[in-house]
Amino acid sequence: GESVGLHLPTLSVQEGDNSIINCAYSNSASDYFIWYKQESGKGPQFIIDIRSNMDKRQGQRVTVLLNKTVKHLSLQIAATQPGDSAVYFCAENRGNTGKLIFGQGTTLQVKP
Amino acid sequence: ETGVTQTPRHLVMGMTNKKSLKCEQHLGHNAMYWYKQSAKKPLELMFVYNFKEQTENNSVPSRFSPECPNSSHLFLHLHTLQPEDSALYLCASSQGQGLTGTEAFFGQGTRLTVV
Repeated sequence: GESVGLHLPTLSVQEGDNSIINCAYSNSASDYFIWYKQESGKGPQFIIDIRSNMDKRQGQRVTVLLNKTVKHLSLQIAATQPGDSAVYFCAENRGNTGKLIFGQGTTLQVKP
Repeated sequence: ETGVTQTPRHLVMGMTNKKSLKCEQHLGHNAMYWYKQSAKKPLELMFVYNFKEQTENNSVPSRFSPECPNSSHLFLHLHTLQPEDSALYLCASSQGQGLTGTEAFFGQGTRLTVV
């Protein structure tokens, strides 16, 4: 069936440490993946994306890794800051369907 | 500011009321979406419009009625809702449906409470 899942509902890290948020997806036909960040009282905000023909993409302090063999996606945040505290969602976009399927979300808590 | 504006931000309505949610995008996008976000659940896609035409209705009850008069505006008309419909309703837009690699931009959402 359709599902995009995250391994942990909550992740707590110390300020300055690196964070890794994981996501598993089930549909091997998915060809585009996005990570969103949602702060309290706001809508989801785009962080970084990756296409299925890539296995790694880097942004500013963030890296997304894609392992198509095991259908696994991860978001790495370097030197985590208090402003990174939010709920993080992975989403998959299945080509011509235009449907963006979201996972449950992982709450990232950054301890000072 | 994402370029997608939703009004109202908060809405409390009785089960016999009729209300409408509004979404406007200033990004020149052709596709618009309604999502429902309930506590402890993933975002659920409700409706998709592409070039003003509805292309997806994800088995949404008829008490939710979308309207897309043009590519920049999207409405969600609500009537005879149930308390379990209380949620955050998010509008999003993208360059075009069906284009691989097209990220969606979200509005701030309308927090709906049905009493």
